[in-house]
Amino acid sequence: GAGVSQSPRYKVAKRGQDVALRCDPISGHVSLFWYQQALGQGPEFLTYFQNEAQLDKSGLPSDRFFAERPEGSVSTLKIQRTQQEDSAVYLCASSSLHQNTEAFFGQGTRLTVV
Amino acid sequence: GENVEQHPSTLSVQEGDSAVIKCTYSDSASNYFPWYKQELGKRPQLIIDIRSNVGEKKDQRIAVTLNKTAKHFSLHITETQPEDSAVYFCAASISPRDQFYFGTGTSLTVIP
Repeated sequence: GAGVSQSPRYKVAKRGQDVALRCDPISGHVSLFWYQQALGQGPEFLTYFQNEAQLDKSGLPSDRFFAERPEGSVSTLKIQRTQQEDSAVYLCASSSLHQNTEAFFGQGTRLTVV
Repeated sequence: GENVEQHPSTLSVQEGDSAVIKCTYSDSASNYFPWYKQELGKRPQLIIDIRSNVGEKKDQRIAVTLNKTAKHFSLHITETQPEDSAVYFCAASISPRDQFYFGTGTSLTVIP
């Protein structure tokens, strides 16, 4: 595709509900990152995939957060039993492995937990 | 781990004036320093980046300087225009292929 695509753009969840956020990276991009951006803050790293392998999940805030990329392309970030503090914009970024690559970001999914 | 601090958090300038945003980082292993512009409700977009083997880089009205010894880098925008109004984020990373550590952002307003 032309860029990184995320869906849905907006999600309102009741506290305790499970949600799934989708990221379609740029075709051919090996690396995929998830970031969490709280209101008025910079993005914070959640997890990183190289192809289908999740190489780093050190930023996931709790075991309620789970990410997968089973075929090395589309990725899903799942949040179980959502809580109010999960409210944020979730950004996905992809890049190639070339030395001079650039990380391209999606528009994000704004999650509001009520 | 890496800690990136960014100042100021808000900045207002008159159209045509210059704007400067400063960042510091803590991890000497960081070698790649991108700057992203994020307009309200839109994706962060890379506007310029610099690597540790370079002290300064310029692209038209935008320039970035890096002092690796002092662990700080700055964004300079000259001849500001209203369309420069946005939130700007600095970041530090080992490389563009690795995770980024972002600053907290600077909200720039250019007053016509």
